[in-house]
Amino acid sequence: EVQLVESGGGLVQPGGSLRLSCAASGFKVSSNYMSWVRQAPGKGLEWVSVIYSEGSSFYAPSVKGRFTISRHNSKNTLYLEMNSLRPEDTAVYYCVRDLIGGEHDFWGQGTLVTVSA
Amino acid sequence: QSALTQPASVSGSPGQSITISCTGTTNDIGGYNYVSWYQQHPGKAPKLMIYEVSYRPSGVSTRFSGSKSGNAASLTISGLQAEDEADYYCSSYTSTTTLGGVFGGGTRLTVL
Repeated sequence: EVQLVESGGGLVQPGGSLRLSCAASGFKVSSNYMSWVRQAPGKGLEWVSVIYSEGSSFYAPSVKGRFTISRHNSKNTLYLEMNSLRPEDTAVYYCVRDLIGGEHDFWGQGTLVTVSA
Repeated sequence: QSALTQPASVSGSPGQSITISCTGTTNDIGGYNYVSWYQQHPGKAPKLMIYEVSYRPSGVSTRFSGSKSGNAASLTISGLQAEDEADYYCSSYTSTTTLGGVFGGGTRLTVL
């Protein structure tokens, strides 16, 4: 059974940093495209970042240069390192597995990141 | 403002059929057959309902169907049930800089 379990969210001050983790089971993170998608409170979905199976990564313009996606193959875990956080980064962050066309076929339960003084 | 346009809300009575539209451009919906639809109940994670325009993942009811014409896609739910009440989001691959795809703003479905 495919499962994705995020952790690492919490309250952080503007300008601070946070690292999100996503432990996967039932499949190999390294063999799949994996993304982070976020949802601000009461708002819609926004794609944040993707890491392809061959290792290349891409970011939404709103987070490029501040966020870094990575994975640890032996731990079967996906990460999102978030630096220079802004209040507008406040959202529930979902770890998702992607299909080839970029569709997100499995979602974690999400972890809430709150950026506030 | 979202890249894809959806109606803010739709409603229907149990047993009826409803359709949710999703309008994009030739850079996304019109140019690729990677349109997907997600269902999200309050406080829950989204769930993939349709991928590649019209394919249903295993376990998704056949009451859900998807289609595309030109720069617009649609999700149709037939035989509405109370449990279908949720938010629905469309998404598409895009040739712009947002390599992860673009989402619509979401449609709240109310079952009367």
